[in-house]
Amino acid sequence: AQKITQTQPGMFVQEKEAVTLDCTYDTSDQSYGLFWYKQPSSGEMIFLIYQGSYDEQNATEGRYSLNFQKARKSANLVISASQLGDSAMYFCAMREHSGGSNYKLTFGKGTLLTVNP
Amino acid sequence: DVKVTQSSRYLVKRTGEKVFLECVQDMDHENMFWYRQDPGLGLRLIYFSYDVKMKEKGDIPEGYSVSREKKERFSLILESASTNQTSMYLCASPPGTGTGISYEQYFGPGTRLTVT
Repeated sequence: AQKITQTQPGMFVQEKEAVTLDCTYDTSDQSYGLFWYKQPSSGEMIFLIYQGSYDEQNATEGRYSLNFQKARKSANLVISASQLGDSAMYFCAMREHSGGSNYKLTFGKGTLLTVNP
Repeated sequence: DVKVTQSSRYLVKRTGEKVFLECVQDMDHENMFWYRQDPGLGLRLIYFSYDVKMKEKGDIPEGYSVSREKKERFSLILESASTNQTSMYLCASPPGTGTGISYEQYFGPGTRLTVT
């Protein structure tokens, strides 16, 4: 079974509008972390935002916010006021324990966001 | 401001060759990861290491091995390259200690490997 599910292979949004990228996860850990990364066409992976499973408030970083619904096991990324430079692949990822105090990071398949002028 | 480097951006090898992909981090991190990225499949974890000479299998270790002789260097080895190993390979290293919580994971620029 997939650990991280991103159901939207591609999304389109008009410049200056908000967009939500979906992510659901599956884990039996009580303590875990959720991440969003951006990968532009140049290929580098850019960290955007992090949410810990015990964090009570939704994480925000500038125009990025993470809509964390623990009971639903969802961690959607909201980008407000989209810009042309937001066009990229977006990956949701989860950190969970891998025995002892070690952990691993598992990624979803990604969502390709295109911002239209 | 270099953090994670990979030995090659592009690599072309022949079927059956032994291939070494090198990753070096200059942040004194304990954890290092190797992923492969394929269209429509996202990033899949191959192997990771949480200490020198320590390694743990990820989700798709078959056909790969790793080496971590020094803290800063984590090598991915394709013992006998095959065409289905043509892919983008990404190395990553999170900050913090092996037992700590890290909020981001620094990635290398990637190595695009083609096996012909």
